[in-house]
Amino acid sequence: AQSVTQLDSQVPVFEEAPVELRCNYSSSVSVYLFWYVQYPNQGLQLLLKYLSGSTLVKSINGFEAEFNKSQTSFHLRKPSVHISDTAEYFCAVSEAGTGNQFYFGTGTSLTVIP
Amino acid sequence: ETGVTQTPRHLVMGMTNKKSLKCEQHLGHNAMYWYKQSAKKPLELMFVYNFKEQTENNSVPSRFSPECPNSSHLFLHLHTLQPEDSALYLCASSPFPGQGAGANVLTFGAGSRLTVL
Repeated sequence: AQSVTQLDSQVPVFEEAPVELRCNYSSSVSVYLFWYVQYPNQGLQLLLKYLSGSTLVKSINGFEAEFNKSQTSFHLRKPSVHISDTAEYFCAVSEAGTGNQFYFGTGTSLTVIP
Repeated sequence: ETGVTQTPRHLVMGMTNKKSLKCEQHLGHNAMYWYKQSAKKPLELMFVYNFKEQTENNSVPSRFSPECPNSSHLFLHLHTLQPEDSALYLCASSPFPGQGAGANVLTFGAGSRLTVL
């Protein structure tokens, strides 16, 4: 089974500063990778995903993540954060061909400081 | 209405009560899931249904009883719960499972916040 590690449980950052949220997974088999965002009192929303092709994937609100197979990582970055980015961010992994098996990290709480 | 809808959003129950959580998806998906979200823990997969058939029961205590009458509806029946069962219960759905990369995307509901007294 996979394990997903989000080393940073809390990340405070000033508004308009860059941020990186780290995600590492355990297995080197073929995987699909996801970042989900959870705003207060809401469920998880898909932010971006890597399924195949280009290793750099982007969301519509300025986040991007890069799949690094050799380092088994899928770090999330944004060059300039906004107050509205304050939320909990979850990294998730699914092994290709396993259908319904998704493995989630413990989440990173991003707080943007005005 | 679109997406995944969960009711109730908040539920407070005693240890001897019987209650149910409801989930409905309007996405035409064929797989539905129950997850438990507790503070500072990874999401815990509880149950998976593919085409109304249960395919995963992740060692969940019998005080949690799922029901999937069709591909659009999922219930979680609760009875004689413990205080440690207090958590956010998330329902999710995905397209036909195991059918390539497009199948592996979960859509979540807003969750049902359960408090057991």
